[in-house]
Amino acid sequence: NAGVMQNPRHLVRRRGQEARLRCSPMKGHSHVYWYRQLPEEGLKFMVYLQKENIIDESGMPKERFSAEFPKEGPSILRIQQVVRGDSAAYFCASSPPGTSVTDTQYFGPGTRLTVL
Amino acid sequence: AQRVTQPEKLLSVFKGAPVELKCNYSYSGSPELFWYVQYSRQRLQLLLRHISRESIKGFTADLNKGETSFHLKKPFAQEEDSAMYYCALGWGSGNTGKLIFGQGTTLQVKP
Repeated sequence: NAGVMQNPRHLVRRRGQEARLRCSPMKGHSHVYWYRQLPEEGLKFMVYLQKENIIDESGMPKERFSAEFPKEGPSILRIQQVVRGDSAAYFCASSPPGTSVTDTQYFGPGTRLTVL
Repeated sequence: AQRVTQPEKLLSVFKGAPVELKCNYSYSGSPELFWYVQYSRQRLQLLLRHISRESIKGFTADLNKGETSFHLKKPFAQEEDSAMYYCALGWGSGNTGKLIFGQGTTLQVKP
């Protein structure tokens, strides 16, 4: 099992461009979580998805950010019209079906987004 | 509001010394607490969780509800313990399970 995969590992965008971050969960996992880590801060929850459903998006900024987890393919975190403040490390985690709050989440290596 | 606080950004000890990484939480319900670790150039991984009451790599953590703490301890630090440590609170209801992380503590074990 290759573990949670994220790509790209590094992404550079100019202000106003779009950023698309991909996350492939571990095999058999149907729950995906996205977290953002700003410089000098801890990871902050953004969104929790199951296949084709957004379960909890309470941590997502209201504008420019969206996430999806289609029936086939990876989960995508999309940031439109990026600004310098979006520069951060974005981590994806996954967990198997039937997960509860007590269960382990498995993390990907992260995507480091730099906005010029 | 739910919150996790790790008051120390950096903890530096000598090899063989005891280690205690502090974690305090704020949560009105029954907490589910975790310690995650990130070694250099590796991904974040689970170290231990309070529900398992286990000891991993010599580390233990006891939940103290009275002090709302979940400090991570090891009696004798090793150089390979040098890493970034995050305390996290599992929060949600039903089958939702998001993690609220502290800011992290860098543990540096000197030879």
